[in-house]
Amino acid sequence: GQQLNQSPQSMFIQEGEDVSMNCTSSSIFNTWLWYKQDPGEGPVLLIALYKAGELTSNGRLTAQFGITRKDSFLNISASIPSDVGIYFCAGHGGAGNNRKLIWGLGTSLAVNP
Amino acid sequence: DGGITQSPKYLFRKEGQNVTLSCEQNLNHDAMYWYRQDPGQGLRLIYYSQIVNDFQKGDIAEGYSVSREKKESFPLTVTSAQKNPTAFYLCASSMVRREQFFGPGTRLTVL
Repeated sequence: GQQLNQSPQSMFIQEGEDVSMNCTSSSIFNTWLWYKQDPGEGPVLLIALYKAGELTSNGRLTAQFGITRKDSFLNISASIPSDVGIYFCAGHGGAGNNRKLIWGLGTSLAVNP
Repeated sequence: DGGITQSPKYLFRKEGQNVTLSCEQNLNHDAMYWYRQDPGQGLRLIYYSQIVNDFQKGDIAEGYSVSREKKESFPLTVTSAQKNPTAFYLCASSMVRREQFFGPGTRLTVL
């Protein structure tokens, strides 16, 4: 099936640093979602974006729906050890199979205290 | 509390046996989904259902079966036809075309 191009694949940073990751699609999306998954658990929704250009924050997290509708980014400011995990982007496309989410392969984040 | 429950958390089965994974939600969501996740991999869609008594194959449906007899329940059966069933299985639910919410997952190991 179709996949999103999510980058970087992994990151290793120092506590307190800012983090940025992004997802791109070859087709237009109507929805962008960002999830975090801890080991052995289900993904937890962080931010949902529904409008091109939309910029939404959730605490130290900020995500944007790209104006072209083909990309989205997630920023984490002042990282802390509990930010460790895998971050996934996902999106709904246009007509047709728009009830199926298309997923990125994840960005693995490690934070050095 | 509202949410999605999956049981059991860990499941062991002998090769050749069918096994059924449970998924229940009390969020009154119309749509439910089953995903498979392998180590270091993303999520791959197995089956999804948008309404009771109806479901569609996802990207990797071979060797799996589902039913949707009640709005709140969407069990997944891993059959003996699934060649590599050991994986982490995730159930999710949503309102149609809205964000999906996930259960805690079931780790299936076939011995």
